[in-house]
Amino acid sequence: GENVEQHPSTLSVQEGDSAVIKCTYSDSASNYFPWYKQELGKRPQLIIDIRSNVGEKKDQRIAVTLNKTAKHFSLHITETQPEDSAVYFCAAIFSGNTGKLIFGQGTTLQVKP
Amino acid sequence: DAGVIQSPRHEVTEMGQEVTLRCKPISGHNSLFWYRQTMMRGLELLIYFNNNVPIDDSGMPEDRFSAKMPNASFSTLKIQPSEPRDSAVYFCASSPGLASNEQYFGPGTRLTVT
Repeated sequence: GENVEQHPSTLSVQEGDSAVIKCTYSDSASNYFPWYKQELGKRPQLIIDIRSNVGEKKDQRIAVTLNKTAKHFSLHITETQPEDSAVYFCAAIFSGNTGKLIFGQGTTLQVKP
Repeated sequence: DAGVIQSPRHEVTEMGQEVTLRCKPISGHNSLFWYRQTMMRGLELLIYFNNNVPIDDSGMPEDRFSAKMPNASFSTLKIQPSEPRDSAVYFCASSPGLASNEQYFGPGTRLTVT
């Protein structure tokens, strides 16, 4: 079935350290993997995404890696700052679904100053 | 671009009342999604539309929930009758469609049913 597992559920790091969040998915035909950041009381916002024809994508301090063989992808945040504190969601789009995203359970990231 | 617009932003109603949530997608986007977010269940997809046609409503919890998209710029999610367990934040999101999968969320409607 359609499923995305996300770990860890909570993550606490010191400012300046790196943070890594991992997700696994069930459908080997999935081809699009976005990451969303949701601050308290706000909407989820798309921060980066990756498609199955690439293995890594970077945008300043954030990067996403994809391992299609193992069916997992990860979000990497370097030089974390207090404003990175939020809930992060991974998602996967499944083949046969015209645009339907399946979301992970979310990771609450706390960056301590 | 105004982004996805939702109204109302907050709704407090009594059990048994009808609730209507509204969404205006980003102009030119062909896909529209309704989500519900709670602490217990996370972010759940309720229903989505492509070119105003409902594609998958398997996430709609029960017959009390209905959604319509009468044209490309407007959608409604209706709950009748509402129950306390419907209390949640309801998000609408839109996407350009098959050519691009990025979904952009509206600000959400916080629904409280007492």
